[in-house]
Amino acid sequence: DVVMTQSPLSLPVTLGQPASISCRSSQSLVYSDGNTYLNWFQLRPGHSPRRLIYKVSNRDSGVPDRFSGSGSGSDFTLKISRVEAEDVGVYYCMQGTHWPPLTFGQGTRLEIK
Amino acid sequence: QVQLVESGGDVVQPGGSLRLSCTASGFTFHKYAMHWVRQAPGKGLEWVAFIRYDSSNKYYADSVKGRFTISRDNFKTTLFLQMSNMRVEDTAVYYCVTGMTTVTTLDYWGQGTLVTVSS
Repeated sequence: DVVMTQSPLSLPVTLGQPASISCRSSQSLVYSDGNTYLNWFQLRPGHSPRRLIYKVSNRDSGVPDRFSGSGSGSDFTLKISRVEAEDVGVYYCMQGTHWPPLTFGQGTRLEIK
Repeated sequence: QVQLVESGGDVVQPGGSLRLSCTASGFTFHKYAMHWVRQAPGKGLEWVAFIRYDSSNKYYADSVKGRFTISRDNFKTTLFLQMSNMRVEDTAVYYCVTGMTTVTTLDYWGQGTLVTVSS
């Protein structure tokens, strides 16, 4: 199974400051069709999980443009350009290239300093 | 808009059985794959099971293989998870999730239903 490793696991950020979460996979996530099936999800208290980014860098409809995804191969990053209070929650990366099973990172808890 | 409403969560004893349902609306259910994903208390997300749009393919996590069965009724736009021989470690919130952009992109999530396995 592909192991997804996120860092940091805890991320205290000052409001208005940028934040960055790293996600590394134990093998390349490039599929034979040329796509890279790496997604990012946000879990906020009292809300259903929400997908933010799919296929590395495609932002979902309604997701603020302060969120961006980048990376390639086995090294990926989720960035928030200016953290707002509503961004508090846990962020997960997930690979859908080498499956089953689909595998998630451990999660990164973002909090406001 | 896409709506996924899970139900059936309950408290069950180890070794017991439970069936979860997920009623879907706001999209053409019979065209898309579906998944179950769970989150145990204080833990991360864990993929549980997948079913193709026409039920022709089903996959399971090793942790539930042989004990859980995923199914769907496209006429009733409902997804199911039959859980048997349940274990304490199956305690979790179970989410119903679509696979629309591609089968593995987990586009839309329900609100979840809590399953507790305890004696």
